[in-house]
Amino acid sequence: SQQGEEDPQALSIQEGENATMNCSYKTSINNLQWYRQNSGRGLVHLILIRSNEREKHSGRLRVTLDTSKKSSSLLITASRAADTASYFCATVGFGNEKLTFGTGTRLTIIP
Amino acid sequence: DVKVTQSSRYLVKRTGEKVFLECVQDMDHENMFWYRQDPGLGLRLIYFSYDVKMKEKGDIPEGYSVSREKKERFSLILESASTNQTSMYLCASRLPIYNEQFFGPGTRLTVL
Repeated sequence: SQQGEEDPQALSIQEGENATMNCSYKTSINNLQWYRQNSGRGLVHLILIRSNEREKHSGRLRVTLDTSKKSSSLLITASRAADTASYFCATVGFGNEKLTFGTGTRLTIIP
Repeated sequence: DVKVTQSSRYLVKRTGEKVFLECVQDMDHENMFWYRQDPGLGLRLIYFSYDVKMKEKGDIPEGYSVSREKKERFSLILESASTNQTSMYLCASRLPIYNEQFFGPGTRLTVL
């Protein structure tokens, strides 16, 4: 069953602008992870945020987590054409080995 | 540099054929996973393995089986391929338990 739901499903922005994607989930989690997938390829791990963390940064990426609202957001600042990809959030529950993925946000950066 | 490889990028098979998808990781990871990815449905877990010779059903195991005889290799088997198994198949591995997963490039399987 799907746990995470991303919003929006698709997003197009100009190069240089910031992109924000949101993820909502249903049950308690140990951590939440964001992955990127370039067209027709495997997924690449971007960032992991634990349930006791509220914000995390990695380069141009900023992730927030609000466990009271069961939601997370991924912000990509100063977007580049190479950021064009699909972005997925995935959750891990307590005592649970499995990642549960959402359906993804398709991000297009317009040069 | 960590690496997960899959035996084929593209595969075309006939209905009823037995299909083997191979995945190899070089990171000495205990856990390995098989997913399928379909438009609008995201990634769905088929099977996973905690360690050698161990396996657990995921969310959609019907029509599939797996084999893990060596730590680095995790095979997905379609016993009798059907057209509804046409999909992108992704393999992943990780250290236990709450860590990131490393994915292979995927195998796009078409069953005619």
